[in-house]
Amino acid sequence: DTGVSQNPRHKITKRGQNVTFRCDPISEHNRLYWYRQTLGQGPEFLTYFQNEAQLEKSRLLSDRFSAERPKGSFSTLEIQRTEQGDSAMYLCASSLRWGGTGSTDTQYFGPGTRLTVL
Amino acid sequence: AQTVTQSQPEMSVQEAETVTLSCTYDTSESDYYLFWYKQPPSRQMILVIRQEAYKQQNATENRFSVNFQKAAKSFSLKISDSQLGDAAMYFCAYVGGGADGLTFGKGTHLIIQP
Repeated sequence: DTGVSQNPRHKITKRGQNVTFRCDPISEHNRLYWYRQTLGQGPEFLTYFQNEAQLEKSRLLSDRFSAERPKGSFSTLEIQRTEQGDSAMYLCASSLRWGGTGSTDTQYFGPGTRLTVL
Repeated sequence: AQTVTQSQPEMSVQEAETVTLSCTYDTSESDYYLFWYKQPPSRQMILVIRQEAYKQQNATENRFSVNFQKAAKSFSLKISDSQLGDAAMYFCAYVGGGADGLTFGKGTHLIIQP
């Protein structure tokens, strides 16, 4: 088990371009979460998946943002027509939830992708 | 909506001493989990400790312990025998029983003085 991985670690793009980030969760985890963290703030929840189903989307997730988890394993987060306000660290986390007693739902985080929009 | 408040933007402690970080939260749910995460500079978020709301016993992990006061909606973190490696941003986080997205506080920057 190598933990949650994210690629790329850094992305610099020009305003108006599209970007895509990838997250690989811990292998046995069925839930995958995306967060955004701006400088000096705590992470803010964007969306999450249970297996391949996207169960919740925050109001922070504008129409320019789309996330997928097609086979219930890795996930991608795409931002279309990037704006300078999209500059942030994008964090991915995963957890194991089986719905029974003792399900801890502890989320383990990846190293993040830092996006800079020029 | 749930909210998490960390009222101490920055705390400083001498190496080997004890420090307590404060966190309060607001929720109408009865089933939830609380967490403390540590985020060292330019490094990833690491779980420090977890507390289930239905458990009355306070969680402990080595030098880290919590004081969970459910009625007061308070969840403080005590770090004993502070070490230089404890220097980081510490975030308090809440998630409801449905285990949706975490709600984080704004964080407390912990400085360890040698």
